[in-house]
Parts: sequence; structure tokens; C-alpha cells
Amino acid sequence: DTEVTQTPKHLVMGMTNKKSLKCEQHMGHRAMYWYKQKAKKPPELMFVYSYEKLSINESVPSRFSPECPNSSLLNLHLHALQPEDSALYLCASHPGGLYNEQFFGPGTRLTVL
Amino acid sequence: ELKVEQNPLFLSMQEGKNYTIYCNYSTTSDRLYWYRQDPGKSLESLFVLLSNGAVKQEGRLMASLDTKARLSTLHITAAVHDLSATYFCAVDAGKLIFGQGTTLQVKP
Repeated sequence: DTEVTQTPKHLVMGMTNKKSLKCEQHMGHRAMYWYKQKAKKPPELMFVYSYEKLSINESVPSRFSPECPNSSLLNLHLHALQPEDSALYLCASHPGGLYNEQFFGPGTRLTVL
Repeated sequence: ELKVEQNPLFLSMQEGKNYTIYCNYSTTSDRLYWYRQDPGKSLESLFVLLSNGAVKQEGRLMASLDTKARLSTLHITAAVHDLSATYFCAVDAGKLIFGQGTTLQVKP
């Protein structure tokens, strides 16, 4: 298995809803990432997990809550989001070492009403 | 603060023509990546450039890295419509710092 998968592909939620995004990889990668991407903009890093521990939090609002239950799975829990949080949410993984690239999942298109 | 700047941000070109996208960055790094993104899709890795003078080619695309000038280029040769996409460079500074992206439109 040589890919990063994300579910769901699309998500529409209200501002009072609680939902979760899921990311999975079975490549043995020990670093996993969440990015947010607005239209016509580059991806913005949100969180980094390294060996299942949160290593970087880019000052993301607490309405986004990441979780790494095991080395293959990364979740992003969403609660009380705002319409401006509507974006493409990308997950990525990295095999470690200085000379490898990140592999990106297909993304979840989130719309907050 | 590390900045990564691409130019141009938008490029409309005719099929068959050549062009170069530039990626300048503001700090020392010897790891630079190029990604392609189609509308509504995720990022696809194109090139990994890991040292000064690195040059890589795949089909009609060729990427190079000059770490002393802090510059990478993505050269397009004889463009075809299928190359229409947004291209991002990203510098590894402990985390990926992306350029703004260059949207390429190849017209018949």
C-alpha cells in the first residue's frame, strides 16, 4: 500500500456540529501532517505528529483538535467551526530521513454553513 | 522568517512553447520540492532536489536547484495542454514552506 487515504471526500457541516476527518497510511511512515488549503492559496501547515506525538501546532484554534491513535491513523476533530474554516484539508505522511518528500492524501473538501 | 516566492504567479502560454517558473527562497536550505496540483485535487510530487546543482527531468519538465543563489527553476519544454495545473515549490526548513503557486494555462 503506497498511498495516503482520507475520508470523507466531502463534508458539509453546520457551525454547531461535531465531525471528524480521518487520514490513514500503511507505508510505515512515522510523521503525519494536517494542512489547510484555501482556494488559490498554498497549503498551510496546521499540525505535525512524529512517532504519534504532537510535535508542531501552528497556533491553530482549539476548534480543531488532532488525534493520532496509532502510527497509521490521524484524525482531525472539528467542533464549532466558522464559515471561514471552509477549505480543502490535506493529510500528508513522511517516511523520515532528510531526503524524502511528503506524500499527500486526496484531501477532504469541507464546507461550513 | 523564511519566505518562498514564485514567479510568475500566472502563466498563459501556447502549446509548443518553452517557459521557466522561478522559485526564490530567503534562507539556506538544500532540500526543495516541486509539486503539481490539478483543480480540486491534492498535491502530486514532481521533483525532489537535494543538493546544489541538482537537476532532474521528467518528460517535458526539468527542475534545477542553485542553493547559493537560493533559486530553483522549473523549465517547461514544448508545453502541452495536459501540463495545465498549479505548480508549487516548497522548501524544507524543518517543515515545508510553500511558494504561492504558479497557475499554468496551456492553450492550443
